[in-house]
Amino acid sequence: GAGVSQSPSNKVTEKGKDVELRCDPISGHTALYWYRQSLGQGLEFLIYFQGNSAPDKSGLPSDRFSAERTGGSVSTLTIQRTQQEDSAVYLCASSIARGEQYFGPGTRLTVT
Amino acid sequence: AQKVTQAQTEISVVEKEDVTLDCVYETRDTTYYLFWYKQPPSGELVFLIRRNSFDEQNEISGRYSWNFQKSTSSFNFTITASQVVDSAVYVCALSEARAAGNKLTFGGGTRVLVKP
Repeated sequence: GAGVSQSPSNKVTEKGKDVELRCDPISGHTALYWYRQSLGQGLEFLIYFQGNSAPDKSGLPSDRFSAERTGGSVSTLTIQRTQQEDSAVYLCASSIARGEQYFGPGTRLTVT
Repeated sequence: AQKVTQAQTEISVVEKEDVTLDCVYETRDTTYYLFWYKQPPSGELVFLIRRNSFDEQNEISGRYSWNFQKSTSSFNFTITASQVVDSAVYVCALSEARAAGNKLTFGGGTRVLVKP
């Protein structure tokens, strides 16, 4: 497809389990971002990848969160030992360098 | 640090009324970018506009218009002759040129409900 895709669209997991969220950016977009949207915090930046540069991880809330981007394309956000406060919608966006960001539909994560 | 404030949490209007959404921002950067996104019930953020800090010209796109006032650090958004399909959450955002990449700082969003 032409847009950013994310999978799964919904994920329910038990507290303490690990989860992986996937993002496929728009082809040719060099920049990729992860954000999350939770009821109490609104939309907040998590991590940014640009080409082969070291990612900007300044928004990750704890060391339980990590992300990688393989081959400059697909990205995976991993949350280890999930907590209930991790419940949120995780949004991925991509752009050409510093251009407009185009967002995916998000993954709704529920930690029970 | 940068900050975006959308004081209106929810606005309800009747179809064909105009609605203006306020956005006030804070930044120490002299070069920055302002954005508006629409978030319909499906949840996906839809890009509406990007404006850089050196361009204070107002912009109109169909029924949408934007008023950028650097003197008051505001970037307000008006929907003219609203329609039911305009019902959504509208989010204002800021990115600073000095920051790595284009990471966005978002306002809390304004939910617009257009009643028929």
